Amino acid sequence: AQSVTQLGSHVSVSEGALVLLRCNYSSSVPPYLFWYVQYPNQGLQLLLKYTSAATLVKGINGFEAEFKKSETSFHLTKPSAHMSDAAEYFCAVRTDILTGGGNKLTFGTGTQLKVEL
Amino acid sequence: DGGITQSPKYLFRKEGQNVTLSCEQNLNHDAMYWYRQDPGQGLRLIYYSQIVNDFQKGDIAEGYSVSREKKESFPLTVTSAQKNPTAFYLCASSIASGGVYEQFFGPGTRLTVL
Repeated sequence: AQSVTQLGSHVSVSEGALVLLRCNYSSSVPPYLFWYVQYPNQGLQLLLKYTSAATLVKGINGFEAEFKKSETSFHLTKPSAHMSDAAEYFCAVRTDILTGGGNKLTFGTGTQLKVEL
Repeated sequence: DGGITQSPKYLFRKEGQNVTLSCEQNLNHDAMYWYRQDPGQGLRLIYYSQIVNDFQKGDIAEGYSVSREKKESFPLTVTSAQKNPTAFYLCASSIASGGVYEQFFGPGTRLTVL
């Protein structure tokens, strides 16, 4: 079964510093991976997705993620944090690749990003 | 604008009452989903539907029911059998097959049991 693990439920960075949010996956087949962002009391918004076309995936708001098969990782990064990046971030993996149908996703437990002045 | 709407945004319920959460989409997506979100637990799948008049249980379906009579609508009923219904509920939709597609999310409904 496909699953993801997000290391660190809370991450704090200074404004202008590098943002690194960690996600490791477990999958018996090549995975399809996603990063979503959630602002307080709102729904989730897609940041980027990995579909095997390229290992370095660029997303919205200056975020990017690199797929590393050898490390089973898909970490999210942004070179310079902005106050508006403060939110909760979720990594997700598609789970119905072998069973077929439904385009189901399994989500990690989330990482709350705090950006300090 | 295309998107997903959920109503109401906030909902209060007394113990023992059933309550229905609305989810509507105008994205022409075949698949729709209901998730429950609790602090520190991420999103957990309650029910999903790939096509009209068909739906499947997710990981935590007990105490919930759904219907899919129209492509655009996927209401969720939280029944009195759900022992701990206070949570944030998210509805999503996506293209169901033929590629790798993201799920689009609504703004959520926060349910509080008094």
